[in-house]
Amino acid sequence: DQQVKQNSPSLSVQEGRISILNCDYTNSMFDYFLWYKKYPAEGPTFLISISSIKDKNEDGRFTVFLNKSAKHLSLHIVPSQPGDSAVYFCAASAAAASGSRLTFGEGTQLTVNP
Amino acid sequence: EAQVTQNPRYLITVTGKKLTVTCSQNMNHEYMSWYRQDPGLGLRQIYYSMNVEVTDKGDVPEGYKVSRKEKRNFPLILESPSPNQTSLYFCASRVTGTSGVGEQFFGPGTRLTVL
Repeated sequence: DQQVKQNSPSLSVQEGRISILNCDYTNSMFDYFLWYKKYPAEGPTFLISISSIKDKNEDGRFTVFLNKSAKHLSLHIVPSQPGDSAVYFCAASAAAASGSRLTFGEGTQLTVNP
Repeated sequence: EAQVTQNPRYLITVTGKKLTVTCSQNMNHEYMSWYRQDPGLGLRQIYYSMNVEVTDKGDVPEGYKVSRKEKRNFPLILESPSPNQTSLYFCASRVTGTSGVGEQFFGPGTRLTVL
């Protein structure tokens, strides 16, 4: 039962354009969401997060949008740069759940072409 | 430098030969966990620990053991590895924030192959 789904295994965009990565979840208890970026041969690194009390959080070129009614979140990268090429994981947590552990999506490989 | 370290980074072993993957963090984090990454499945949690001597099962604990005798270390033990445990393993740690969730710091990963 995949509670967090990233339906696009890969995404390719041109440098300077917008990248939009999508994530859907099914567990209505999730109240905190994070995005991680992963380069080959490295561990995932935290990128940006959002609490369920917000619908948008921005950090430089990265913005995360949360639509609770649709159980959907997205990560926007503007403008995209070649160094953004990586696998992006969406993750969710229910603070009230045991251990407050993260449930990850399958990941989306983003390729930004020069 | 704040970091999570794992050893070994690469390991090839045979079915049934016990192995331990070590994990250590220098950030004084209470929470530590182990994940495995498999194609098309993302990262799935194996075990986690809220603090010293407190461990619990994640989503895929079968075939694994852990211990948390010290705050900084959280080894992953495979008593009798099988080929279906061939995977990329990540250790992670974080503080426990007010919401109960905080940014996790991941180690560089351990690529395990069980023949």
